[in-house]
Amino acid sequence: KQEVTQIPAALSVPEGENLVLNCSFTDSAIYNLQWFRQDPGKGLTSLLLIQSSQREQTSGRLNASLDKSSGRSTLYIAASQPGDSATYLCALLAPRSGNTPLVFGKGTRLSVIA
Amino acid sequence: EAGVAQSPRYKIIEKRQSVAFWCNPISGHATLYWYQQILGQGPKLLIQFQNNGVVDDSQLPKDRFSAERLKGVDSTLKIQPAKLEDSAVYLCASGGAYNEQFFGPGTRLTVL
Repeated sequence: KQEVTQIPAALSVPEGENLVLNCSFTDSAIYNLQWFRQDPGKGLTSLLLIQSSQREQTSGRLNASLDKSSGRSTLYIAASQPGDSATYLCALLAPRSGNTPLVFGKGTRLSVIA
Repeated sequence: EAGVAQSPRYKIIEKRQSVAFWCNPISGHATLYWYQQILGQGPKLLIQFQNNGVVDDSQLPKDRFSAERLKGVDSTLKIQPAKLEDSAVYLCASGGAYNEQFFGPGTRLTVL
């Protein structure tokens, strides 16, 4: 059964710092991995989607990497800003094999202090 | 393009009452998902539709939850009767190219 773990659960950094959020998964057979941002009381905003054949994706100050062999993905945020404060979730789409193929981690709650 | 629409945004009911949520996906998206997100947790898939057919409802509590997607566009999720543990945010998402998921704003349900 696919399990997704996000460490740390919460992170507080000063404005301007570069930071890395981690996502690990137990089964390397995945179709894609998607990083989301969730603001309090709001839905999820898609940040980056990495297909299983890709190693990384970049959008602005964000860079996401995928290493299927080690079951890990990282989200790198450069030059963090207070507006980056939110919960960041990773989610996997995996082949259907009796279990639900769509699995989310519990998220990392990020606070960027001005 | 317009995003995923959901209504209502908030709902407060008493236990044993019924409630229904509505979702309108992004135009042209064949795949529609309903998730339940309990405070402090990641979303949990309840049901996945492909057009108007159910692809996966293995985690849907079918004794009290039901969902339909008539005509393969809008969808409704119903809870009858509600329990205290159903208090959560119910998220609807639709699937685009490469199975990328786009989420609506969610409906926050409080069961008293």
